[in-house]
Amino acid sequence: DAGVIQSPRHEVTEMGQEVTLRCKPISGHDYLFWYRQTMMRGLELLIYFNNNVPIDDSGMPEDRFSAKMPNASFSTLKIQPSEPRDSAVYFCASSLLGYNEQFFGPGTRLTVL
Amino acid sequence: AQSVTQPDIHITVSEGASLELRCNYSYGATPYLFWYVQSPGQGLQLLLKYFSGDTLVQGIKGFEAEFKRSQSSFNLRKPSVHWSDAAEYFCAVRNSGNTPLVFGKGTRLSVIA
Repeated sequence: DAGVIQSPRHEVTEMGQEVTLRCKPISGHDYLFWYRQTMMRGLELLIYFNNNVPIDDSGMPEDRFSAKMPNASFSTLKIQPSEPRDSAVYFCASSLLGYNEQFFGPGTRLTVL
Repeated sequence: AQSVTQPDIHITVSEGASLELRCNYSYGATPYLFWYVQSPGQGLQLLLKYFSGDTLVQGIKGFEAEFKRSQSSFNLRKPSVHWSDAAEYFCAVRNSGNTPLVFGKGTRLSVIA
């Protein structure tokens, strides 16, 4: 069974460009989480969804960040415009109500020049 | 608010030696506690978790952790470290339900011959 799938695995872009990160959760999971990992701040939650509905987006750093989950099998995290300080590894994780483990994807390493 | 402290940023142990990684949490009720491992360039993999019951929990790869309520700790241990255990280890906490994880800053483990 495939785990959480993220694409792209690596993204290099220039400041000011739009960046879209993609996530496919494990089939049947009803929770989806976006985390960001940096050396300075560690792993921090950006936003999470339950049944495709955003529950808590208080971790989204700025209006430049937006996330959507149009259906149960797909979510995007968009940064527009991107800035060098957005450089980080972005993880997507999913879980199933009643089970307590969150399954993480391999992450997208974003570099903004 | 919940918080997790991993006091050791980097630990180096010899192969075959025992290991203990420290984790302290701040949470009012009984927390759900987790240890994850992250190998370089990879996502996070669950090592073990504690919800209730026996305070000594066994995980994968020969790891175990002990929940000590009086010390608000959930330290990870392994009796004999292998070179393949070199990685970043994260302690995490959350309350009941499918709420997001709050992570510690991580401890990087190096293993020397």
